[in-house]
Amino acid sequence: ETGVTQSPTHLIKTRGQQVTLRCSSQSGHNTVSWYQQALGQGPQFIFQYYREEENGRGNFPPRFSGLQFPNYSSELNVNALELDDSALYLCASSLLTSGGQETQYFGPGTRLLVL
Amino acid sequence: DAKTTQPNSMESNEEEPVHLPCNHSTISGTDYIHWYRQLPSQGPEYVIHGLTSNVNNRMASLAIAEDRKSSTLILHRATLRDAAVYYCILRDLMNRDDKIIFGKGTRLHILP
Repeated sequence: ETGVTQSPTHLIKTRGQQVTLRCSSQSGHNTVSWYQQALGQGPQFIFQYYREEENGRGNFPPRFSGLQFPNYSSELNVNALELDDSALYLCASSLLTSGGQETQYFGPGTRLLVL
Repeated sequence: DAKTTQPNSMESNEEEPVHLPCNHSTISGTDYIHWYRQLPSQGPEYVIHGLTSNVNNRMASLAIAEDRKSSTLILHRATLRDAAVYYCILRDLMNRDDKIIFGKGTRLHILP
């Protein structure tokens, strides 16, 4: 158990809808990263939040957005859902200090199906 | 693009050692070598990481070549629970903007 939790575990949406996924980070961690994992592929980095601000972004369109809250939990929002957004969405928490980044610990993921 | 190269799949017998190779010929001096694994229907799980010296922990050992252009994850005695996709990843932990870039990893099959 990593102490990272995600909700919901599964979700079905239709094309054009909006979705919000949630992540609670491990105690003591200040950074949350989000990844998209399509079937049969490795996870792809979406973005990272550090102390409530975006700290890096991968090659994803603006309709993928996020938030980090003062307790370091986080949300991933996806607008105007497309069929290709069907995937496992993973969040990972870690500690970022002046000395650099530490190991990322992943949650179990939210499986999103877009019909 | 991933900066590492791994075989797509490997097989091993239960209770035997497993050596999972990884090539990273373009590794920089500040890159740490990380290994994660992903069990079926779960998120990736941290296994081990190292910089230059070989590393051991309760899960595995990491052997790093002297020139650091390759490494090997060693599972000393594979069990059926070790069947997973294993990812070898380079991370510059001193880079505050560092992102994990996953490749496709090696799918490890354990034969009973």
